[in-house]
Amino acid sequence: QQQVKQSPQSLIVQKGGISIINCAYENTAFDYFPWYQQFPGKGPALLIAIRPDVSEKKEGRFTISFNKSAKQFSLHIMDSQPGDSATYFCAASSRGGSTLGRLYFGRGTQLTVWP
Amino acid sequence: DTAVSQTPKYLVTQMGNDKSIKCEQNLGHDTMYWYKQDSKKFLKIMFSYNNKELIINETVPNRFSPKSPDKAHLNLHINSLELGDSAVYFCASSQVQFYGYTFGSGTRLTVV
Repeated sequence: QQQVKQSPQSLIVQKGGISIINCAYENTAFDYFPWYQQFPGKGPALLIAIRPDVSEKKEGRFTISFNKSAKQFSLHIMDSQPGDSATYFCAASSRGGSTLGRLYFGRGTQLTVWP
Repeated sequence: DTAVSQTPKYLVTQMGNDKSIKCEQNLGHDTMYWYKQDSKKFLKIMFSYNNKELIINETVPNRFSPKSPDKAHLNLHINSLELGDSAVYFCASSQVQFYGYTFGSGTRLTVV
């Protein structure tokens, strides 16, 4: 079954706006939550990651918000730019339990930022 | 210098053929992976090697066989190719097991 659920499937935002992508998980053994960015013809690239001991992590215009009790996390892109147009994947993994050794990806969000 | 390099970038072949994809990483990472990305962009792990030892073998047809001659290389051999094998295959590596992946740029396999 889908270990990480991601929404929306696609997102259109105007330049300067805020892009928000949401993810949810069920397995409480997950202890690492990265976001990847993928441009056409390229491999996914690690954008930002968070561990469940913090509720927020910010790197430049990118922020992860993490809600451990709700088992949800989200990516916020502030001041979205046309160069941010890409597919974004959330993911989750753990060092133990039945999911040991697997990085599970959400199904991706195609972000388009209009100039 | 490319951190994780895959060859070839594109592969077009007929059903029933056997093909290989090669992957090399120069990051000094201990763990390498193969992922498959389908036409809807869903990424799914296929195999993982840690220091040349197979540690993950997902439910993948046994027509797919990975080989790791050393910890910097992980190749994928596919026998008797089928139409459903058409996808983009990504190699990746990480230093700390399963965290902080670095992906290659992918091999687009098309089976006709």
